[in-house]
Amino acid sequence: QKEVEQDPGPLSVPEGAIVSLNCTYSNSAFQYFMWYRQYSRKGPELLMYTYSSGNKEDGRFTAQVDKSSKYISLFIRDSQPSDSATYLCAMKSGANNLFFGTGTRLTVIP
Amino acid sequence: SQTIHQWPATLVQPVGSPLSLECTVEGTSNPNLYWYRQAAGRGLQLLFYSVGIGQISSEVPQNLSASRPQDRQFILSSKKLLLSDSGFYLCAWSDQGNYGYTFGSGTRLTVV
Repeated sequence: QKEVEQDPGPLSVPEGAIVSLNCTYSNSAFQYFMWYRQYSRKGPELLMYTYSSGNKEDGRFTAQVDKSSKYISLFIRDSQPSDSATYLCAMKSGANNLFFGTGTRLTVIP
Repeated sequence: SQTIHQWPATLVQPVGSPLSLECTVEGTSNPNLYWYRQAAGRGLQLLFYSVGIGQISSEVPQNLSASRPQDRQFILSSKKLLLSDSGFYLCAWSDQGNYGYTFGSGTRLTVV
């Protein structure tokens, strides 16, 4: 079983839709959870960072962590064409290495 | 502010040729440094990480090596490239106490 599972998509939504991106994981020691956004041919950029369970909101983006279910989500409200990118979840425990999902490719259609 | 530089952006190399990719970080001291390879549909694969000068940990046995000759410089090398070395190579850094990584812009390597 992979440490982190993420549906690769692709996911296509109309502009203005609410987008839900999800990851599941198997290691209960993970405490730090992140979402990265990666535009084509660019390096990933950190979008959201959450410690332990709960919600975190930043503008149109909301990250949720449910440690009891080993499930994390990223919601994008009022999606825009500029949100079209690949979204990668990532997580770690206190150790050095960050475990990434394979990424979900999102296209927002104008 | 901290910045990370990675070059070149693209590279086409023949099989059997050597490789040297360089990454430098500015605006921080004693960062953790990482080399990742990203293949389509396979996510990010950690190749090497370093917590200090001369300290390299290898995650995946392969045709590549890494070195950290200076605090903020990380180099990925190969003596003889294979076709399977093609991919998108990313350098990243993090503070010792910060669990978020900052990535460079990547190098797209094509071995022909």
